[in-house]
Amino acid sequence: EDQVTQSPEALRLQEGESSSLNCSYTVSGLRGLFWYRQDPGKGPEFLFTLYSAGEEKEKERLKATLTKKESFLHITAPKPEDSATYLCAVFNTGNQFYFGTGTSLTVIP
Amino acid sequence: ETGVTQTPRHLVMGMTNKKSLKCEQHLGHNAMYWYKQSAKKPLELMFVYNFKEQTENNSVPSRFSPECPNSSHLFLHLHTLQPEDSALYLCASSQLQGASTGELFFGEGSRLTVL
Repeated sequence: EDQVTQSPEALRLQEGESSSLNCSYTVSGLRGLFWYRQDPGKGPEFLFTLYSAGEEKEKERLKATLTKKESFLHITAPKPEDSATYLCAVFNTGNQFYFGTGTSLTVIP
Repeated sequence: ETGVTQTPRHLVMGMTNKKSLKCEQHLGHNAMYWYKQSAKKPLELMFVYNFKEQTENNSVPSRFSPECPNSSHLFLHLHTLQPEDSALYLCASSQLQGASTGELFFGEGSRLTVL
């Protein structure tokens, strides 16, 4: 069965301390991998779509990369406003979405 | 208004009440979804509508009843809920279920508490 595993579950960083979030997946046929940001009490906000291994996307301090087994969300020099839960999801050839449980990121000033 | 709008944002109801959640999307999409989000669990798909037709019902109890009168509006009717149904209910839309891009765009969610 298709599934998504995110690690770590929670991450605390000092402001300016770069790090990466991991999304490991198994999928029967990948059509796309998505990253979302979710603030407390709000709905997920779309960040990136990656379609094939080797692809990279960037937005401000965030860069998402994709291999055949996992995706990383790299956060460079994070700021407190980057604190949120980051969700990963895969979309398979059966038109189904599978979400991970998320990584809760806290950036300390 | 833009994006996906959900009302109410917060709802407290007793187990014998009947209430409804409303979702409206202004993105011109043709597919709409209800998801349930509980702490420490992945998002759970409940229902999918494509062009107003229900295409997926993910073994959801009958106390949850969806309604999609058109491609822009989606409702979730609630009755005789249980305390374990307390969660954040998210509405989402996409161009079309199965479209190549596939991105889901979510509303802010309705936080439901069942007493």
